[in-house]
Amino acid sequence: EDQVTQSPEALRLQEGESSSLNCSYTVSGLRGLFWYRQDPGKGPEFLFTLYSAGEEKEKERLKATLTKKESFLHITAPKPEDSATYLCAVLGTGGFKTIFGAGTRLFVKA
Amino acid sequence: GAVVSQHPSWVICKSGTSVKIECRSLDFQATTMFWYRQFPKQSLMLMATSNEGSKATYEQGVEKDKFLINHASLTLSTLTVTSAHPEDSSFYICSARARTGGAGTEAFFGQGTRLTVV
Repeated sequence: EDQVTQSPEALRLQEGESSSLNCSYTVSGLRGLFWYRQDPGKGPEFLFTLYSAGEEKEKERLKATLTKKESFLHITAPKPEDSATYLCAVLGTGGFKTIFGAGTRLFVKA
Repeated sequence: GAVVSQHPSWVICKSGTSVKIECRSLDFQATTMFWYRQFPKQSLMLMATSNEGSKATYEQGVEKDKFLINHASLTLSTLTVTSAHPEDSSFYICSARARTGGAGTEAFFGQGTRLTVV
C-alpha cells in the first residue's frame, strides 16, 4: 500500500535559519511526488512535482530533492511569510489516488 | 498555470437543508476530480474520486447518499451535502487532475469551502 510520512510534525525557525522538511514514501512505482503549501483556511497551493531519483527543483527559497525513498524540501533563509503547512504527496503507477502525508507545520519567527 | 475555482468559499446553512459546492477547472480539462474534507490542524481526508461521466468512487466510511457527487463535464464537479447536520460542518476542498499522459499527474486544488451547519 502506498504510504507517505512527513517529519517533523511542526518546525519552528528563526528568520534566516535554513532547514529541511522530510517526506518518506513507499509506493509501487512512482509516477510523481508532489509538494504543496497550505495556508490556514485555504486550499493547498501546488509547488513542485518530482518524477525520478536525483531530480531537484527550485522556487525562490524552496528547493525540493528526491531519492528512491524520500524527498526533502529545503528552505533557505526563510521569512515569516514562509510560515504554512507543507504537504507531500505521491502518485503511484498502481493507482489513481494521490496519497498525502500529514504535513509539516512551519513557523518562521521574525 | 492550472486554476481550480471552488464556490462558495463559505456557507452557513440550517440543519436538515442541502448545500451544493461547485468545483471548476478553469483552464484545463479535468478527467478526475477529488473531494476532501479537512478538520482543524489535520491533513486532507479523501472522501471520493469522480471521473467525468461515471459514478463517483467513495472512500470507506463516507456515506454516498449523504455526499452526492456529480462530475457532469470535464470542467465541473459538484458535491451536495444532503440533510446537513452540525457534524457535517467542516472545510471541504476539491482538486482536479488534468488528462494524464506525460507530465499530467499533478492535482490542483480549489480554495476550499467552509461549511457551517447551525
